[in-house]
Amino acid sequence: DSGVTQTPKHLITATGQRVTLRCSPRSGDLSVYWYQQSLDQGLQFLIQYYNGEERAKGNILERFSAQQFPDLHSELNLSSLELGDSALYFCASSELAGRYTDTQYFGPGTRLTVL
Amino acid sequence: ELKVEQNPLFLSMQEGKNYTIYCNYSTTSDRLYWYRQDPGKSLESLFVLLSNGAVKQEGRLMASLDTKARLSTLHITAAVHDLSATYFCAVDIPSYTYAGGTSYGKLTFGQGTILTVHP
Repeated sequence: DSGVTQTPKHLITATGQRVTLRCSPRSGDLSVYWYQQSLDQGLQFLIQYYNGEERAKGNILERFSAQQFPDLHSELNLSSLELGDSALYFCASSELAGRYTDTQYFGPGTRLTVL
Repeated sequence: ELKVEQNPLFLSMQEGKNYTIYCNYSTTSDRLYWYRQDPGKSLESLFVLLSNGAVKQEGRLMASLDTKARLSTLHITAAVHDLSATYFCAVDIPSYTYAGGTSYGKLTFGQGTILTVHP
């Protein structure tokens, strides 16, 4: 158990809908990262937050957005869902913003299925 | 754009044998991670390699980094069934520059190597 929690574990929804994925980092970690894992795209970095501020963006679609709250938990919002958004979404956390290359600890993931 | 390539992508090994997984990347970096993922599970950190020539070992696994060749290797010694999993390498490059320094953490992953160890 990495100490990173994600809810829900599974999510099944329909095309066009909007969902919110939630992540709580390890105690003391200030940085949160979101990744998407799918069979055709592999593991892809989406976005990084550090202490409430956005620090880096990857190939995140405009339909997706995220934020990190004052209590450091983070939410990833996915809207106008398409079939191709079906994937495993991981949240990871680290103590800093990778400045001293600290390890990212991954949560259990949320499996999103869009029907 | 940074590209990270692993080979082989599929590896079927006999117990007791040795083998090496290779991770090549296209941009200068001296920060590389190896992760393990069991089916349907999350990613578990194995090694963090922070400089040219870095070598780390844990049990039957040993990882090394050659930043000049832009190559990392994960060597498996005397494989056992418990090592069956998917192994990923990930390269870390600067993602954000601010007044106090440079921020990292934007990992680019390889495709993963699916390792199966059989009797």
